[in-house]
Order: sequence, then C-alpha cells, then structure tokens
Amino acid sequence: DIQMTQSPSSLSASVGDRVTITCQASQDISNYLNWYQQKPGKAPKLLIYDASNLETGVPSRFSGSGSGTDFTFTISSLQPEDIATYYCQQYDNLPPAFGPGTKVDIK
Amino acid sequence: EVQLVESGGGLVQPGGSLRLSCAASGFTFSSYSMNWVRQAPGKGLEWVSYISSSSSTIYYADSVKGRFTISRDNAKNSLYLQMNSLRAEDTAVYYCASRGVFGVVPDYWGQGTLVTVSS
Repeated sequence: DIQMTQSPSSLSASVGDRVTITCQASQDISNYLNWYQQKPGKAPKLLIYDASNLETGVPSRFSGSGSGTDFTFTISSLQPEDIATYYCQQYDNLPPAFGPGTKVDIK
Repeated sequence: EVQLVESGGGLVQPGGSLRLSCAASGFTFSSYSMNWVRQAPGKGLEWVSYISSSSSTIYYADSVKGRFTISRDNAKNSLYLQMNSLRAEDTAVYYCASRGVFGVVPDYWGQGTLVTVSS
C-alpha cells in the first residue's frame, strides 16, 4: 500500500500570511492527488484534485502543485475561515490513502 | 441542492451488526460511483469501500474485507454499508462520499453517522 506523509502536523499563522503544506507519497503517484479541507464537526471538502486543479467554487487563494512523490498545498493569504485540518489523499493505487492531516490555526 | 444523508449509526456491542444507509438527492445518483470513508474519534480519514455506478465493481479496505458489504439501489437513490462482526476499532464517523475520492468532480459528502462499538 502507498503511505502518505504530511508536514507540518500543525501550524499557526497570521491572517494574510502565505501557508504551505507538503505531502509525500511512498512511491510515484503521478498527479493522482487530492487536497481536502475539514472543519471541526464537518465533512471533508475537496479543494484540489489531480494535484493542481481547483474544484469549482473553491477560492483562488488555494493552490496545489507537484507530481511523482512530492506535493505542495498553498494558501496564498490565510483567512480566518481557513482554520481547519487539511489532508492530502492519493488515488493512483488501491487503497486510496489519506495523509495524517495538517491542522492550521490563527496566531 | 445536492444532499447525501447518512443514517443507521448507533451503539452496538462487539461482534454485532449494523446497516448504514445514505440517501442521495439533487444529482443523478445512478451515474455516480460512491464510497464510504470513516474517521475514528480525533483521528484521520480512512477509505472503507467503493462501488461503481452499476454495482459491477466493488473494492474494500483490508481492514473491513469479509466483514462489511457495500451495496446500492439506484431506483431508491440509496447507498448502503452492511457491517458485521463489528470491533472496537470500527468505532468512527462514517461518511458516504461520491467519486471525488478517485479524483472525479464534482464531489459530494454526507454529514456522517457515528458508529460506536462498545460493550
């Protein structure tokens, strides 16, 4: 099975800051990677698919990049409503696997 | 408005069974592959099972294979998860989720239903 890692596990940033989360796959997954946002008590929400494609309706301050084993998720200007846990997830091989998550809060 | 509404969760003893349902509305359910994804309390997300739009293809996580059965009824716009031989480690919020898990958009998720396995 493919293992996904994320760093950092948590971060605190100020409103307006640029926030970057990295995700690494244990083997090449091409660009078969999702990024989700999950707010407390809510279902996950898909933000980015195919590593860099923004789901419809998702603000453009969110972006993703990478291919192969190394991926990056960026919030260009952190907003108060972005407080959440973010997960990467690969779908190149079965089973689909999620990273452990990165908790983002406001400093 | 798109909705996925899970039901059927609750408290069950180890070794017991439970059947989860997910009622879909607001989109062409019969054209969408579907998934179950779970989240143990305070933990991350774990994919559980997949079913294609016609039920012809089904996959399970190793952790539930042989104990859980996914099914759907396109006439009733409903997805199901039959869970047998439940263990304490199956305790989680169970979400039904559409095909976004495999990178196909648009993606829809239900609000989740809590399953607690405890004596």
